[in-house]
Amino acid sequence: ILNVEQSPQSLHVQEGDSTNFTCSFPSSNFYALHWYRWETAKSPEALFVMTLNGDEKKKGRISATLNTKEGYSYLYIKGSQPEDSATYLCAGGGSQGNLIFGKGTKLSVKP
Amino acid sequence: DGGITQSPKYLFRKEGQNVTLSCEQNLNHDAMYWYRQDPGQGLRLIYYSQIVNDFQKGDIAEGYSVSREKKESFPLTVTSAQKNPTAFYLCASSITRQGTEAFFGQGTRLTVV
Repeated sequence: ILNVEQSPQSLHVQEGDSTNFTCSFPSSNFYALHWYRWETAKSPEALFVMTLNGDEKKKGRISATLNTKEGYSYLYIKGSQPEDSATYLCAGGGSQGNLIFGKGTKLSVKP
Repeated sequence: DGGITQSPKYLFRKEGQNVTLSCEQNLNHDAMYWYRQDPGQGLRLIYYSQIVNDFQKGDIAEGYSVSREKKESFPLTVTSAQKNPTAFYLCASSITRQGTEAFFGQGTRLTVV
């Protein structure tokens, strides 16, 4: 069973701060690594899907990196804004077709 | 508009009754998933399906059943064998197994009374 761990569990930052979260997963049986943003009262929305070791992806102020050999991914937010407040979910896809989520990191950005 | 639709949004069930949660997508996606969320927990995988007429158990399949008779539909039945059915249920779909992003429905909140 693919086991995905995220840290920290929650994070409180001030507007303008930059921050990052970690997602770790078993490096064996790895196929893809997903990041999602889940805002309150909405559905989770995809940020990035990465499959190759060394992948780096960017969307505006948010970026992510992937290290499949050591089994981790980082999500970075530069200059956090209040609208970035959400739960950020990481999910690992195994060769069996399953998509397993971590417990998420809840980010609160104070104005 | 293309999307994934779950119904109902809220559902109340008496103890001992089976109940079915609907999930429909018009995105032409092959893969569909059911997740459960409890307070303070992440999304836990109940069942997933990669093609029509085929599905696999996730981490917490006991007390649940699914069917995949049509590509567009993946209903989840919560049976009376599920000990703690009160939870938030999310359905998702994706083009392939896991190489592309998943799209989520709005969720169904099930409460056993």
